[in-house]
Amino acid sequence: QQQVKQSPQSLIVQKGGISIINCAYENTAFDYFPWYQQFPGKGPALLIAIRPDVSEKKEGRFTISFNKSAKQFSLHIMDSQPGDSATYFCAASGSNYQLIWGAGTKLIIKP
Amino acid sequence: DSGVTQTPKHLITATGQRVTLRCSPRSGDLSVYWYQQSLDQGLQFLIQYYNGEERAKGNILERFSAQQFPDLHSELNLSSLELGDSALYFCASSVQPSGELFFGEGSRLTVL
Repeated sequence: QQQVKQSPQSLIVQKGGISIINCAYENTAFDYFPWYQQFPGKGPALLIAIRPDVSEKKEGRFTISFNKSAKQFSLHIMDSQPGDSATYFCAASGSNYQLIWGAGTKLIIKP
Repeated sequence: DSGVTQTPKHLITATGQRVTLRCSPRSGDLSVYWYQQSLDQGLQFLIQYYNGEERAKGNILERFSAQQFPDLHSELNLSSLELGDSALYFCASSVQPSGELFFGEGSRLTVL
């Protein structure tokens, strides 16, 4: 019940395309859903986060879509650029703020 | 730059040895987290401290220990090292226990 399942494991998208990464959770007590971006040789960095009181949050080319009834959330990267090539982690936490992490998605944007 | 400083950046040692990894959190952050990331693997939560006290424990081996000092810096001690301990070790910090973590650039440990 504590798991966060992330898919796909890897993703190749053409430059200018839309990258979509999905996550599913089981614990309905989770109330914070962040996405972290990690470049090779660097630590993860918070990219965007959402709480379940909204169904969508957009920051620039990055959008989180949240489906509370399905217990799923996804990251959409519009107009994907080679600089977006990185590993993306979804996560979820509840009132104890302990992050439960997805396994990560390695995204490659082809020029 | 996240403001979290980890030293050393790289460390090569032999099996059976002991190493200490150091983390200085962002100024003002009271909570420190340690994570392990093996090659092309996900993030494994090891342990969290808040204002000097252990707050949460994850998949931390008995051979590993950590502490947070009064000046809020933290150290992760890894002993009786095995080949499988080779990994990136990340420290992260936050003002309070939070899902918004600021990660350092990691310490890459290679055990030969």
